[in-house]
Amino acid sequence: QKEVEQDPGPLSVPEGAIVSLNCTYSNSAFQYFMWYRQYSRKGPELLMYTYSSGNKEDGRFTAQVDKSSKYISLFIRDSQPSDSATYLCAMSEHQAGTALIFGKGTTLSVSS
Amino acid sequence: DSGVTQTPKHLITATGQRVTLRCSPRSGDLSVYWYQQSLDQGLQFLIQYYNGEERAKGNILERFSAQQFPDLHSELNLSSLELGDSALYFCASSVDFVSNIQYFGAGTRLSVL
Repeated sequence: QKEVEQDPGPLSVPEGAIVSLNCTYSNSAFQYFMWYRQYSRKGPELLMYTYSSGNKEDGRFTAQVDKSSKYISLFIRDSQPSDSATYLCAMSEHQAGTALIFGKGTTLSVSS
Repeated sequence: DSGVTQTPKHLITATGQRVTLRCSPRSGDLSVYWYQQSLDQGLQFLIQYYNGEERAKGNILERFSAQQFPDLHSELNLSSLELGDSALYFCASSVDFVSNIQYFGAGTRLSVL
């Protein structure tokens, strides 16, 4: 079993839909959770950063962490064609100085 | 623009050859991380340098090596290349002592023919 599991999709939704992206993990020591967005032929860019359990909202994006279930989610409201990309979850045990463990990424396509 | 610069953007080479990938981190970032991204494995951590010293190793093959220079730029050397080494190679940098947020370059696409 991989440390971080993420459904690769692809996920296709119409513009304006609510999108839910998820990752599960096996290492209970993970405390720091991130979502990166990667456009085709580009490097990953940070979308959301959360510590421990709870919710964090930033505009149309909401990140949720449930450490008891070892499950994290990213919700995108009012999805736009510009949201079409691959979304990667990432996590680490420590606040700083360690490599990130990534999911394989979910490819999202939002049609207008 | 993340502020992390990687060169070259593309590399096409033959099996058995050796290549060098270069990374310049964001100004002020002391840590450099190298990752390999392939379709079947996703983003995999290779190696980390902090202020010129190797700090951690991940799934890095013995044929691969890296270093970080006094000006903090880093190079990843891949030798005796095989077809399976074809992938995207990303460099990321972070402030490191503050948070684990890593900023990624645009990557180098390596094709081994």
